[in-house]
This record gives sequence, structure tokens and C-alpha cells, in this order.
Amino acid sequence: DVKVTQSSRYLVKRTGEKVFLECVQDMDHENMFWYRQDPGLGLRLIYFSYDVKMKEKGDIPEGYSVSREKKERFSLILESASTNQTSMYLCASSLQVPDYTEAFFGQGTRLTVV
Amino acid sequence: QKEVEQNSGPLSVPEGAIASLNCTYSDRGSQSFFWYRQYSGKSPELIMSIYSNGDKEDGRFTAQLNKASQYVSLLIRDSQPSDSATYLCAVLGSSASKIIFGSGTRLSIRP
Repeated sequence: DVKVTQSSRYLVKRTGEKVFLECVQDMDHENMFWYRQDPGLGLRLIYFSYDVKMKEKGDIPEGYSVSREKKERFSLILESASTNQTSMYLCASSLQVPDYTEAFFGQGTRLTVV
Repeated sequence: QKEVEQNSGPLSVPEGAIASLNCTYSDRGSQSFFWYRQYSGKSPELIMSIYSNGDKEDGRFTAQLNKASQYVSLLIRDSQPSDSATYLCAVLGSSASKIIFGSGTRLSIRP
């Protein structure tokens, strides 16, 4: 079974703090994604990566950065947390083949910025 | 126009009936289409994927794709209370690099 593990289930941070959300997958997937989910807005793509050290902006990258130094690990960084970044953050991974396969999700990190 | 659109619901269906969920997408070159189910407080889990026009059946679930109309649907037959969840439509666009999700349809199966 594919396993995508996010480092924290719940996180509370203060405004202005630098926040790291970690995600690890154990199935040698090339693609990794970070989404945030807010009520009524669905899942919105923040960043994705299709290879080590490669990254592409999604739809809402402002205020975030990412790091992928190893294939299995994809980190989301909030440089200076703000209250509008309070949300559920979901990491996902998938294979990269001609017949595209589905994305598998981690358990999510509910981040509260106070 | 949103890239992937769904009716947010809630959609209320009696137990045992057919639930019909709909999704439209804007990128005509989209290649792959997925339906995810998400229970409250949980992560999305894949229930169906479809890549070519027509119907694809898996147990009580049928996905339908019409690329000309840019339309994807999910039918759930013999609806059960355990089907009550939010259903997310997801599309792999023509760039083949990212999956875009709709905002989800909340389905409620009433006994």
C-alpha cells in the first residue's frame, strides 16, 4: 500500500513564525503535491514537484515555498505565517507515467496561525 | 470560470436510490479524470478514474466521461448511508503535470 505521511496532524503557530510542513512517501513516486483545503473552496494547489530539486507553482503559491532534496520528501515552508494561512494542508504523491495514475494523500495537517 | 466546477450541494438522496454527481472542466486537452470521496475530517480517497469517453463501472459506482461536452459524472447505485461524504472531481490537465480539483459536492443519504 502507498503510504504518504505528514509530520503533524495538528499544528498551532504564531503570526510571523517560519513553519515547516513535512511530507514523506514510501512508493518511489516522482510527483509530489501540496494542497490547502478550505470550506467552500475545495483543494487548491500550492506547489508541486515532478523530480528532485524541481518545483512548479500551483494556483496559490504566494507566501509559501517548497523544498525537495530527496525523492521521498517534499516540504512546504511558510516563510512568515499569517492568520490567513490557517487551513488544512494536504500532501499527495503519484507516479509519472504516460497513463497517469491517481494521487495518494497523506492524513493532512490542520494548521492554526494565531 | 473555474477550471473544474461542481455543484456544492448538499445533495440529499434516499437510501437505495441512485445518486448522480456532476462535474465540468474547462481545459479541453485534459487527459485523466478522477473521483475522490472525502469523509469529514479525513483525507480524500480515490474511488474511480476514467481516461476515455464512455462509462466505466466498478461495483455500485459508474463514472461517465464526455470529452466533447467536457463533462464527467459519477453515479452511485443502491446508495447507502456510508456513501454520505463530499465527492471531489479531479482533472489532469493538458500540461500533464498537475491535478486540479473541484470544490466538491456534499452528498447526504437519508435512511
